[in-house]
Formats: sequence, C-alpha cells, structure tokens
Amino acid sequence: QVTLRESGPALVKPTQTLTLTCTFSGFSLSTSGMCVSWIRQPPGKALEWLALIDWDYDKYYSTSLKTRLTISKDTSKNQVVLTMTDMDPVDTATYYCARLKMTTRDFDIWGQGTMVTVSS
Amino acid sequence: QSALTQPASVSGSPGQSITISCTGTSSDVGGNNYVSWYQQHPGKVPKLMIYGVSNRPSGVSNRFSGSKSGNTASLTISGLQAEDEADYYCSSYTSSSTVVFGGGTKVTVL
Repeated sequence: QVTLRESGPALVKPTQTLTLTCTFSGFSLSTSGMCVSWIRQPPGKALEWLALIDWDYDKYYSTSLKTRLTISKDTSKNQVVLTMTDMDPVDTATYYCARLKMTTRDFDIWGQGTMVTVSS
Repeated sequence: QSALTQPASVSGSPGQSITISCTGTSSDVGGNNYVSWYQQHPGKVPKLMIYGVSNRPSGVSNRFSGSKSGNTASLTISGLQAEDEADYYCSSYTSSSTVVFGGGTKVTVL
C-alpha cells in the first residue's frame, strides 16, 4: 500500500523559511520512473504545482517560484523535503506531496496535506 | 507556465451529461498525452479520475471519460449523480518537464 504523509510547522512568520517533509511508504524513490512532487492549495483556491524530484535526483520547479524553492530527497529514509524561503501571507495554503510515475505522469497517490499559515 | 483554462462552474441535473473543458498550449495539453483530471470534494484530498487523457484508474466509475482535441482536453461526466458535486482540476505535464494545473471547475448537481 502506497502512502505519503506531510509534516511541518502549522504557523510560520513572514520572511521565515518553511521546511516541509514528505514521508512515504510502499515504493522506493530510487526505482526508475518514480517521482515525488509538492503541490499547494490556498484556502478556496486552485491547486498549484510547486516542485518535483525524480529517482535520478533531477529536480524541477515552478517557474514563478523557483528562486524560493529547494526540493531534496533522502532515499534511505523514504523522505522528500521542500524548503520555501521568504514566506509571505499569500503562501498560506494546504501543502500536499504526491507520487508521480513517469509512465503516466499523473499524481496517483496524495498525502493528506498539511495546512501552513503565514502570519506574524 | 500559465495555468490551464477551465470554466469556473458547470451544472447539470441528475442523469444528465456535462463536459468540462481544459485549454492549454502546444507546450502542455497539445504537446503530449499526459493530461489528467482530479476530483476534490470540500475539505478532501484530490482524487485521480482520469490519466493519460482518457484512461480511468481502477475503481473510478465508467461514467467519467476523457478526451482531447488539439490544445483542449475535456472531462465528461455522464449520468450525473449527487455525489459528483465537487471541484474538478485538469493537469498536464509540460515540455519543460514541469506540471501545470487548471484553475478548477465547480460542478453543481441541480
């Protein structure tokens, strides 16, 4: 059974750096074709793709946010970490991690999401 | 990397069919067959409904179908049911190896 779970702070202050961890099970991020992505959703708004890391350590970022994002993985711990710098209240959102397989390039399994509020 | 364009809302009566469009560019929707659709009920996690333009994951009702023509993909829900009332998002892999979502469509069952 494939599962993903996000963890991180529920509240961050403006200008701080957010660090989120996605812990997954049921698959290996060292297996060819496997990827993990981060996606966010502000309250009442649409989904927004943020970043992706693949089995070969290649990383891809949203064009509009790439200067603020860093994605990394620890294969031995089955974890993917996303950092986002210079947080602003507009970054308040539920942050999801999800699995993507290169064979189909869709998000077939999602974590439950973690709500992050940016406020002083 | 602009968001894909979806209608804000679509509605239909029980039993009817509705179609949600998703318009992109030749760099995303029109450039590959990696279009997917997600259903999201309020307060819930998005659920994959269609992948690869027209394929249904195991367990998804065959009332849901997908298609694509040029830069526009479509999701059709036939035999509309009350439980289909939700937000629907399209997504496409892009030529830059990134992913783009649509703005979402709220489906209302009248």
